[in-house]
Amino acid sequence: SQQGEEDPQALSIQEGENATMNCSYKTSINNLQWYRQNSGRGLVHLILIRSNEREKHSGRLRVTLDTSKKSSSLLITASRAADTASYFCGANSKLTFGKGITLSVRP
Amino acid sequence: EAQVTQNPRYLITVTGKKLTVTCSQNMNHEYMSWYRQDPGLGLRQIYYSMNVEVTDKGDVPEGYKVSRKEKRNFPLILESPSPNQTSLYFCASRLPGQGNYEQFFGPGTRLTVL
Repeated sequence: SQQGEEDPQALSIQEGENATMNCSYKTSINNLQWYRQNSGRGLVHLILIRSNEREKHSGRLRVTLDTSKKSSSLLITASRAADTASYFCGANSKLTFGKGITLSVRP
Repeated sequence: EAQVTQNPRYLITVTGKKLTVTCSQNMNHEYMSWYRQDPGLGLRQIYYSMNVEVTDKGDVPEGYKVSRKEKRNFPLILESPSPNQTSLYFCASRLPGQGNYEQFFGPGTRLTVL
């Protein structure tokens, strides 16, 4: 299955620092998407990058895609306590997710 | 407001008692799907539907049924629930095609099977 695997599993940073999260996948993709989940709630879409794009920005978010390495990274700049959540990546139409990354931003 | 709704949000039931979790979206999306989320296992897709009367198995379909009689609704049916189906369930929808569209998720249904 086209699975997104996120790395690291957990990340703890200080408010104001940048957070970098990685995602790897197994097969060819049309797009890769990142989602955020606050504790026990539904996933919220953050950003989508197409396979022919290498980098995309949305506010404090920057996502890169390296199709040769089958990997993507999500950078959250100037993190805030409200960014504390779990982050998931998924690819293509089926959006098979990994276990997610738990990000904790300390005030 | 564009949204995906699920009912019930919380359910405690007993082994073998048939139940249905409803899912409805108001965005006229063709594609809908169900996921379950378990600690340490992440999100896994149960079933998906490309359109009315078109459904297909995801990665973990055993013990579940779905139907898609109308575009807006995609109920998840557990004919004979078992404790290993205790989980957090999410319904999602999006526009059709190759998936270059975000998925909209419902708020989740926390199911406990005793």
